[in-house]
Amino acid sequence: DADVTQTPRNRITKTGKRIMLECSQTKGHDRMYWYRQDPGLGLRLIYYSFDVKDINKGEISDGYSVSRQAQAKFSLSLESAIPNQTALYFCATSDTGSNQPQHFGDGTRLSIL
Amino acid sequence: QKEVEQNSGPLSVPEGAIASLNCTYSDRGSQSFFWYRQYSGKSPELIMSIYSNGDKEDGRFTAQLNKASQYVSLLIRDSQPSDSATYLCAVPNQGGKLIFGQGTELSVKP
Repeated sequence: DADVTQTPRNRITKTGKRIMLECSQTKGHDRMYWYRQDPGLGLRLIYYSFDVKDINKGEISDGYSVSRQAQAKFSLSLESAIPNQTALYFCATSDTGSNQPQHFGDGTRLSIL
Repeated sequence: QKEVEQNSGPLSVPEGAIASLNCTYSDRGSQSFFWYRQYSGKSPELIMSIYSNGDKEDGRFTAQLNKASQYVSLLIRDSQPSDSATYLCAVPNQGGKLIFGQGTELSVKP
């Protein structure tokens, strides 16, 4: 089983719908992250959480919200989806400490019509 | 100046050749450096970590770090078509986040 699991893997929905992407991990890491990636572009950080009670905005948080339900679970919500939020979304985790690598889930491909 | 910069490529090399991927970073205090491989439509996969000046080898991959020049590179020996992917350089910042370069696309031609 994957250490970092994202659900769903693919989602097609309509403008204005509320969408939740879920991430769970079995790595025991405190830190979790949400990124989006658009074709030909780099990874952009949406939100990150260093522990259950610590949630921080990334560089592109507008239009998104998150919930850290437990150490192992970190969800990303699009309250009212719009077409320019069509992208590949990745969840990642890392161990505590400033010099740790991040480990990524398989991603969610989201299309908003 | 971007915090982490990579040549965008694409870099094309023939099968069996050495591919050289380069990355520069702006924070002189950086202590760790990571290389990720990302196939098209897939998630980034950690392939190398390096923390000290010099070379670190893992199979066909060698990471090279020069902190004085703020430069880290990845060499892929005996390149294979399966190495064709985008390679991302990543460096932690002071706030504990990982800063990714834009990535270098590598194409290995049979």
